[in-house]
Formats: sequence, C-alpha cells, structure tokens
Amino acid sequence: DAKTTQPNSMESNEEEPVHLPCNHSTISGTDYIHWYRQLPSQGPEYVIHGLTSNVNNRMASLAIAEDRKSSTLILHRATLRDAAVYYCILRDLTGANNLFFGTGTRLTVIP
Amino acid sequence: KAGVTQTPRYLIKTRGQQVTLSCSPISGHRSVSWYQQTPGQGLQFLFEYFSETQRNKGNFPGRFSGRQFSNSRSEMNVSTLELGDSALYLCASRLSSTGQSYGYTFGSGTRLTVV
Repeated sequence: DAKTTQPNSMESNEEEPVHLPCNHSTISGTDYIHWYRQLPSQGPEYVIHGLTSNVNNRMASLAIAEDRKSSTLILHRATLRDAAVYYCILRDLTGANNLFFGTGTRLTVIP
Repeated sequence: KAGVTQTPRYLIKTRGQQVTLSCSPISGHRSVSWYQQTPGQGLQFLFEYFSETQRNKGNFPGRFSGRQFSNSRSEMNVSTLELGDSALYLCASRLSSTGQSYGYTFGSGTRLTVV
C-alpha cells in the first residue's frame, strides 16, 4: 500500500476552520483517498473519501491536489466533539480491502 | 439502525489461555474485518471475511483466527495468549467486499488484557 504522511498533531480554536494535510507522493492511479477519525474510547469513524475531484459531505470537505500527491481534510467549524485522531488512508481499487492506518494527526480543539 | 456490536467490551485473561471475541455487523453488511490496536503498533489489520470466507489476512501468527457465520456475525479467536496480545480489538463491517463506494463502520471494540 502506498504510504501517507501526516503531522503528528494540530490545534484549532473552537468554531474556526481546520485544514488537516496529508501527503501521498507515491499514490497510484487506482488509489482512493479515505479519511477516518477516532474519537477517544471509540472505534474509527469514516469521514470522507475521494479519487480526483473535491468532495463534500455533512461532516467535512476533501480537497485533492491536481497531481493527487496531497490532500486536505477541511472541517469548516471545529467543535469540541471534533477532537480526535484523523487518519488519511489510501485504498487501491484493485487491491485488498483492508485499511492501512498510519499514525494519524491528533487534533486538539481549544474552547 | 443498530451499529456494529462487539462483545464483550472488556476481558481479562491469563497468559496461555484462549479467547473468543464476537462481532455483529450492521444489518445487511456482509463484509467483516478485524483490527488490533496497541499503543506501540497502532491499528493493524487482522483479517476480513465475506460470505463466510476469509478474503484477506494480515501479518499475524496462526494463533489468531476467525470465522464468519451465515448471518454475517463474526468471531475471532486467539489461542495461547501472550502478554503482547493485550490490545483493543476492533471489528468493522461494510456493505460489500469490493468497490470503493462504501466506508467501513467500526464497533467500539473489545479491550483485552492478558495478565
């Protein structure tokens, strides 16, 4: 599986936007970009995924660079409930279905 | 609808014993995967089942095994427990075994402590 690189930690003030970066310079043409997050004492939670175009859902937006070597998860207004570890994961459309979790980014939301 | 249910939530076992963990996927989901989470290694894939067949396996010793029943419920078994098996074991279900359109839904996990 192609690897991703994320900052270990980030901080954000409550009700401000948060941009969580992810580098995936070795991404292949069949790799989808998935984001999951894990809140304390819970299992990971699916956030969003995309291939080439930017994506929006009720939880977040995913901005994908034109060369697909990086992406950014955008939380439009951070709340305390968004404090979690965020994982950026590449999944090959043609490969195995398991998720390869890296170390993720621990997001702290400051009230 | 109900989420992914894992039982038990907490478990304490003695080294050398064996343990069975249970996972009930979301109704209609036929793919079930298992992951181990430890502070040192993070989240690691164990195996995936679909329609009672193991589709994929991670890099774990043969002491770790699993199965899936016709109703899609899954169990994983760890034999001859070692201290290093202490971890949070997470189950995830998905509607289909293939395709990128579906995300995984995880349960809250079973916290296994081996003493």
